[in-house]
This record gives sequence, structure tokens and C-alpha cells, in this order.
Amino acid sequence: GAVVSQHPSWVICKSGTSVKIECRSLDFQATTMFWYRQFPKQSLMLMATSNEGSKATYEQGVEKDKFLINHASLTLSTLTVTSAHPEDSSFYICSARGWTDYEQYFGPGTRLTVT
Amino acid sequence: GQNIDQPTEMTATEGAIVQINCTYQTSGFNGLFWYQQHAGEAPTFLSYNVLDGLEEKGRFSSFLSRSKGYSYLLLKELQMKDSASYLCAVREGDYKLSFGAGTTVTVRA
Repeated sequence: GAVVSQHPSWVICKSGTSVKIECRSLDFQATTMFWYRQFPKQSLMLMATSNEGSKATYEQGVEKDKFLINHASLTLSTLTVTSAHPEDSSFYICSARGWTDYEQYFGPGTRLTVT
Repeated sequence: GQNIDQPTEMTATEGAIVQINCTYQTSGFNGLFWYQQHAGEAPTFLSYNVLDGLEEKGRFSSFLSRSKGYSYLLLKELQMKDSASYLCAVREGDYKLSFGAGTTVTVRA
């Protein structure tokens, strides 16, 4: 149980375009989902926290107009990178928290490359 | 904010024991997690400590001292597949996790 999927697993896009990444909890309902970014050989940095049906809470320094987060249901959250630039190239990982679990369940990650 | 420190790299021999230390400074401490992450993959949960003491789970054990802001992850009977990055993460409040930079463990034959 507690499986989180992400789609796509990798994507290459051109500068200026937008990319949408989906995060799904497959066998449980996730009240809260988290989006992280990880640069090579660095740790995970929390970008934002999204709660189903409400606006996301962004960490300091993360542009909410550039990284659009939608948590439309208890099993799906999406991250849209708008007007992508090469410096947005990174490994994006989502995680989900269930109703009672203290643990976060991580998705497999999405490797974004902006050319 | 968080200040989480752990060594960058460690090397050990197959069958040996390795201890990865993690120190932290935080307000609102509500638990410490250890995750394993292989290159290019998402982290997988290893252990969780919220009270002082040792938690043992098979070959892996984790220790916490809240008064010292200190934890360690102990890996016993090392196997080649244990070569990975090990992340120390502190939970602040209900759910927000802050991660250390990770310790890359290399297991040699």
C-alpha cells in the first residue's frame, strides 16, 4: 500500500514553454501533498505544500506564479512549471501524506530538462 | 528554519558497520526521519524517531537524543546494495520536513 506515482518520469522541453507534472496517490487518499526540487548531489528542497481544495503554501523564495500547484482531488496534485528556463532543470519529487500517517510517501520523481 | 548537518561521504567494507551522524537545530521539533535514496530515484523511508532512544529495524537502527539535537543511523552487515545516499530529515510542526544534504555511503567488496 501507500504508492505514489508521478507522470511523466522525465521530460525535455524548450525554453519558454510550460510543463505539467502529475502526482497521484494510487491506493490512499492524500490530504496533503508536497513538492520538492532536488539539484544534482544536493538534498531535497521543499517548494510548496498543497492541501486538497485549497491554495498551496509556497516556501520562501519559490515563485508561486511560476510554479503553479493544483490539488483538485484527494488523489491528484499537479505542478506546472510555466515559462520554463534552463535553470529550472531539476529532479522534481512529490510526496503525499495520508489521513493519519506520520510518514510521507514519495513518488519516483520527474527529471525535467529545459533546453 | 532548520540547520541539519551530516557528513558528505562515508566508505565502508561489505559486512562492516557504518554510523551516520546527524545534528540539527530547530524550533518545534516533531520527529526525525532517515531516508535512503539511490541515484536518480525518490527517497525511501527507513526509520522514524520522536522520543529519545534507539529504534531497531533489522540491519538498520536509528538513535535520537532531543536534548543534544543529535541522531545517528546505524547500518549493520553492510551489503553492496546499501551503497546510496542517506538523508536525515527533521519534521517541524505537523508535517513539514526539512532535509539534510545527505551522506553518500559507498560499500566496497
